[in-house]
Amino acid sequence: QAGLTQPPSVSKGLRQTATLTCTGNSNNVGHQGAAWLQQHQGHPPKLLSYRNNNRPSGISERLSASRSGNTASLTITGLQPEDEADYYCSAWDSSLSAWLFGGGTRLTVL
Amino acid sequence: EVQLVESGGGLVQPGGSLRLSCAASGFTFSTNWMRWDRQAPGKGLEWVANIKQDGSEKYYVDSVKGRFTISRDNAKNLMYLQMNSLRVEDTAVYYCGREDYYDGSPDYWGQGTLVTVSS
Repeated sequence: QAGLTQPPSVSKGLRQTATLTCTGNSNNVGHQGAAWLQQHQGHPPKLLSYRNNNRPSGISERLSASRSGNTASLTITGLQPEDEADYYCSAWDSSLSAWLFGGGTRLTVL
Repeated sequence: EVQLVESGGGLVQPGGSLRLSCAASGFTFSTNWMRWDRQAPGKGLEWVANIKQDGSEKYYVDSVKGRFTISRDNAKNLMYLQMNSLRVEDTAVYYCGREDYYDGSPDYWGQGTLVTVSS
């Protein structure tokens, strides 16, 4: 099953803004959107944004998600050291009847 | 507070079997789809399987079809993953996860249990 496409790495400076992207097709991202997850080394994933782009309770307002066509984006403003982590997008593919993950983007805060 | 606790991982030889369990608490277990995801050492996340609230629908990633079986016991708040004909490439941390009732997004995971397939 093909996955979703994410850039392997993004580097930004402290207090800058990072935008992470996730590209799929009309059967997955373009159909019902993508969820965004954060994972720190040695820890389980944590949901940052639902497929409908809403943030779960307790997630910082510095994070916002959006979608344009078959590409989902996660924008993090005012980058902090604790934002340094791996970020994954995930979407249900209605054609494959399967959940897909992107390969993940490692965000480095310089 | 939603809690998911996996158990049953360990070392198994290729071709062997293992059954993982996931104990859920802090929410009404029978109202959510549930899932298993995995992560091989140093690799990204991979969805393995998910199961509908009443167990009537189950979906699997192609690489485990015919070898793994997902099931649940709503009376005991437990979910399982029966893994047969294990391969070296099944080595991973296996995470139990919940899918949000309204949106369907995966929203909680346990700490994971390590499965190592090696001779």
